[in-house]
Amino acid sequence: GENVEQHPSTLSVQEGDSAVIKCTYSDSASNYFPWYKQELGKRPQLIIDIRSNVGEKKDQRIAVTLNKTAKHFSLHITETQPEDSAVYFCAASIREAGNMLTFGGGTRLMVKP
Amino acid sequence: GAGVSQSPSNKVTEKGKDVELRCDPISGHTALYWYRQSLGQGLEFLIYFQGNSAPDKSGLPSDRFSAERTGGSVSTLTIQRTQQEDSAVYLCASSLAGTGGAFFGQGTRLTVV
Repeated sequence: GENVEQHPSTLSVQEGDSAVIKCTYSDSASNYFPWYKQELGKRPQLIIDIRSNVGEKKDQRIAVTLNKTAKHFSLHITETQPEDSAVYFCAASIREAGNMLTFGGGTRLMVKP
Repeated sequence: GAGVSQSPSNKVTEKGKDVELRCDPISGHTALYWYRQSLGQGLEFLIYFQGNSAPDKSGLPSDRFSAERTGGSVSTLTIQRTQQEDSAVYLCASSLAGTGGAFFGQGTRLTVV
């Protein structure tokens, strides 16, 4: 089955700096890659996603890039703010396998004011 | 409803008792997941339902855990003979077939004493 690895497990940045979280996946048939943000004590929330037919997608300060050849995708957060502090999870799914999401282990991002 | 709803929000039970956790997915969502999350940890996959297909039970940690989904909508996760290591937040998520993006409920915090 699919295996998703996420790095780093913790990331500390200064407010205003950029943050990058990387994920790799094992199954080349994966075609959907969402990212979730989980604030302390809250549920994970979908913040951005990308499908395998595009290489990059942006939404204000966040962007996701996908390299299908290398089987990795990344979340980029620019101009980080303290409210970006949370745990971020990447995931991958395969349409032909019923779209079941496989999650990475999570990255705890801390933005220091 | 407007989102995925889980009940109860909190459950305290004595070791050895059985518990049932309920999930009401977003109307029309054919895919439903159960995850377990211990404090400060990642998302541990438990079970996945997709339409009328046989569920993927590969994540259930022991035969004390079972889940069903009646009528393709509401799901119940049952834990028999609860143990202290079962204490965690149990999260349910649902998604629309073919789109991939899953939406999470607020979770049930289970404490086994």
